[in-house]
Amino acid sequence: QSVLTQPPSVSAAPGQKVTVSCSGSSSNIQHNYVCWYQQLPGTAPRLLIYETNKRPSGIPDRFSGSKSGTSATLGITGLQTGDEADYYCGTWDGADYVFGTGTKVTVL
Amino acid sequence: QVQLQQSGPQLVQPSQILSLTCAISGDSVSNNGAAWNWIRQSPSRGLEWLGRAYYRSEWHIDYASFVKSRISIIPDTSKNQFSLQLNSVTPEDTAVYYCARDAPVGDDYLDFWAQGTLVTVSS
Repeated sequence: QSVLTQPPSVSAAPGQKVTVSCSGSSSNIQHNYVCWYQQLPGTAPRLLIYETNKRPSGIPDRFSGSKSGTSATLGITGLQTGDEADYYCGTWDGADYVFGTGTKVTVL
Repeated sequence: QVQLQQSGPQLVQPSQILSLTCAISGDSVSNNGAAWNWIRQSPSRGLEWLGRAYYRSEWHIDYASFVKSRISIIPDTSKNQFSLQLNSVTPEDTAVYYCARDAPVGDDYLDFWAQGTLVTVSS
């Protein structure tokens, strides 16, 4: 099982805000950058956030990332139906790159 | 624009070798800043990083601890591609396998992914 724990699911109405948590430890999140990946149904993961709080070109500023201690958070504001997807955090844990357990975001 | 194209068999028999190749366009496998990764995903185990190859004046290969004893990642500069070999497979190795690039600038992040290959281990 993954060393990064995420809630299985979160949901909100269109236009609202959701946050996705990623809980780790001193061996991973606390001392490393965190990434977030979005996976739409039937597709490969896509980079959403890198170096904890930076967005690649083309990712809207509705998506944000932050970190505090051994936990990281992905925020999505102005929720849209197209945001329905699975979201994964990722970081290094020693010599291994590890992913979170994944969170399904549902737009009500 | 970087593109990654995977190829390889989708059905492998138990105890045999799983072999996949990732062809790179728009970048070089020898890029002195990038790294070339294999990741897999299954419903029971989620996303799992398997390892990576990268060139920094010489080749470096890193493997995930849980699979280190039976994996090889092999870069091929003549074909601008890299390959995955996983030995002694079992049904537990059934998964969608992805290759992905670790960006050449900044800290480690996987900025380009291939489409994925579902590999089933079954007799």
